[in-house]
Amino acid sequence: DAKTTQPPSMDCAEGRAANLPCNHSTISGNEYVYWYRQIHSQGPQYIIHGLKNNETNEMASLIITEDRKSSTLILPHATLRDTAVYYCIVRPLDNQGGKLIFGQGTELSVKP
Amino acid sequence: EAQVTQNPRYLITVTGKKLTVTCSQNMNHEYMSWYRQDPGLGLRQIYYSMNVEVTDKGDVPEGYKVSRKEKRNFPLILESPSPNQTSLYFCASSSLRADSYNEQFFGPGTRLTVL
Repeated sequence: DAKTTQPPSMDCAEGRAANLPCNHSTISGNEYVYWYRQIHSQGPQYIIHGLKNNETNEMASLIITEDRKSSTLILPHATLRDTAVYYCIVRPLDNQGGKLIFGQGTELSVKP
Repeated sequence: EAQVTQNPRYLITVTGKKLTVTCSQNMNHEYMSWYRQDPGLGLRQIYYSMNVEVTDKGDVPEGYKVSRKEKRNFPLILESPSPNQTSLYFCASSSLRADSYNEQFFGPGTRLTVL
């Protein structure tokens, strides 16, 4: 699986957009970018994933650069409940299950 | 409600006393997995299962056993727990259907302390 690089921590003001970057310069053509988050020792929670097109769901938006070497997760209006560790993971969508390789992630603190 | 449940949520035990942590999912998922999370080491996979009666080792299987007799259940067994198995454990499941996103659903976690 490709390695990802994320900043260890970020702050964001409540109500503002939180933009969390991720570098995955060695991503392969069949690998998707997945984002999960973990709120204070709870089980990780799936947020969104994408291959090359930008994606949006009720939780967030995912912007993937044209060369696919980096991506940004956007929480459009961050709330205090979005304070969590955010993990960027790349892996193939091969329907073989497969482990998720969690790096250190980005610890996002949303402040009032 | 679609969910993965784990029991117990907290457990303090002593070295050598066999224990089982249960995991159950109600989403008819084929794939189930156990992870442990330790400070500075992140989440690491212990065992996984692609379907009933099919299990395989993850990255850190030593000291653990699993079974998959039914699709919904995937218990984690520690035959002789040791203090280095003190950790936060997560069970996860996902669909392997061709039309799925392969996203993994995680349980709430089991905090185990072995004295």
